[in-house]
Amino acid sequence: AQKITQTQPGMFVQEKEAVTLDCTYDTSDQSYGLFWYKQPSSGEMIFLIYQGSYDEQNATEGRYSLNFQKARKSANLVISASQLGDSAMYFCAMSRSRDYKLSFGAGTTVTVRA
Amino acid sequence: SAVISQKPSRDICQRGTSLTIQCQVDSQVTMMFWYRQQPGQSLTLIATANQGSEATYESGFVIDKFPISRPNLTFSTLTVSNMSPEDSSIYLCSVVGLQNSYEQYFGPGTRLTVT
Repeated sequence: AQKITQTQPGMFVQEKEAVTLDCTYDTSDQSYGLFWYKQPSSGEMIFLIYQGSYDEQNATEGRYSLNFQKARKSANLVISASQLGDSAMYFCAMSRSRDYKLSFGAGTTVTVRA
Repeated sequence: SAVISQKPSRDICQRGTSLTIQCQVDSQVTMMFWYRQQPGQSLTLIATANQGSEATYESGFVIDKFPISRPNLTFSTLTVSNMSPEDSSIYLCSVVGLQNSYEQYFGPGTRLTVT
């Protein structure tokens, strides 16, 4: 069984600063994918970034980067140069490569202060 | 990039009734899923929508309560049957296989309130 742990229920960050959201996972699979999604108050789930378990380089997408440490089973999201529009709930998730089913963490609420 | 749409975007329904939610993708995809997000909670997978065959349900979800159809590679429906207030949630479809990638994208969601 897969388990995703996000230990930070809520975080405050100053505008233009960077913030790191923690995510650890547990799986017995060798092949899997790691995802981060943003959920604003509207409820939609916005795909941010993906990291495959066999990818050697950390994934980056604009201001988002995923700090993948396979041995530690962690997949932290770094948001650089925070903007007010980054205020939202952020979910870490993992999929099994054989069926693509996603398991989600509990989420972290990020509030960006002006 | 592909567009995923859901109808309705929100609804308020009376207990005991049923609601069918539609998910449409503007290109063919490999996999389609349905998730539920209860208030203040994370997302939980309901089922995998299989094209041309019965859906595969996760533990705790049954076909009689959540019948799913997927007649082709771009469309799926989820019905929430005999609703109770506990079914009040956001229901989201997701897809895998856009542009042959492993990335999973979500539709905008359907916010359901049962009174």
